Amino acid sequence: DAGITQSPRHKVTETGTPVTLRCHQTENHRYMYWYRQDPGHGLRLIHYSYGVKDTDKGEVSDGYSVSRSKTEDFLLTLESATSSQTSVYFCAISEPGGDEKLFFGSGTQLSVL
Amino acid sequence: QKEVEQNSGPLSVPEGAIASLNCTYSDRGSQSFFWYRQYSGKSPELIMFIYSNGDKEDGRFTAQLNKASQYVSLLIRDSQPSDSATYLCAVFRDTGRRALTFGSGTRLQVQP
Repeated sequence: DAGITQSPRHKVTETGTPVTLRCHQTENHRYMYWYRQDPGHGLRLIHYSYGVKDTDKGEVSDGYSVSRSKTEDFLLTLESATSSQTSVYFCAISEPGGDEKLFFGSGTQLSVL
Repeated sequence: QKEVEQNSGPLSVPEGAIASLNCTYSDRGSQSFFWYRQYSGKSPELIMFIYSNGDKEDGRFTAQLNKASQYVSLLIRDSQPSDSATYLCAVFRDTGRRALTFGSGTRLQVQP
């Protein structure tokens, strides 16, 4: 998994609770990404980071926030989880340089009841 | 219109045959093109990338790009049951947002 660890691997939570997913990388990559994957929608970008404290929104960012206080950690927070946020969440890393080969973590299966 | 479109499948081919997976994209300024393989319950794995018009071969895999037609394809020769997976097409354009846009994937089934 290209030195990427996601935690937790599985989580079940209740509607309205805050949830934080963690992505940890050991390869000192500058760029990190959070995608969600749902049937029929493929992978959709939630947020990404291009450095410590530098983040930007993706196409489905509503209801999510992120933080990156260290190069190796990128956190995704669901402020108040809803059932529509039940999904598989993937963290990815890449190196800039004209193309964007992404390498993915193992994913987090999140169920919001 | 989705930015990256793929037929969801399943595409079923017999073992040993050539599997042909297709992808169209809407942004004519797209610069780089990628194919990922995803086994059920696993994360996507990069298998091919192509930047220029034409063909690029790597082992049993060939990626084909036609920018004029906004079309990219993946050919898998001598298909094996282990190739059964979902194949995701992704494109990149540097708009300041340095991220890939993915299609929803094509499920391939290789029948023994």
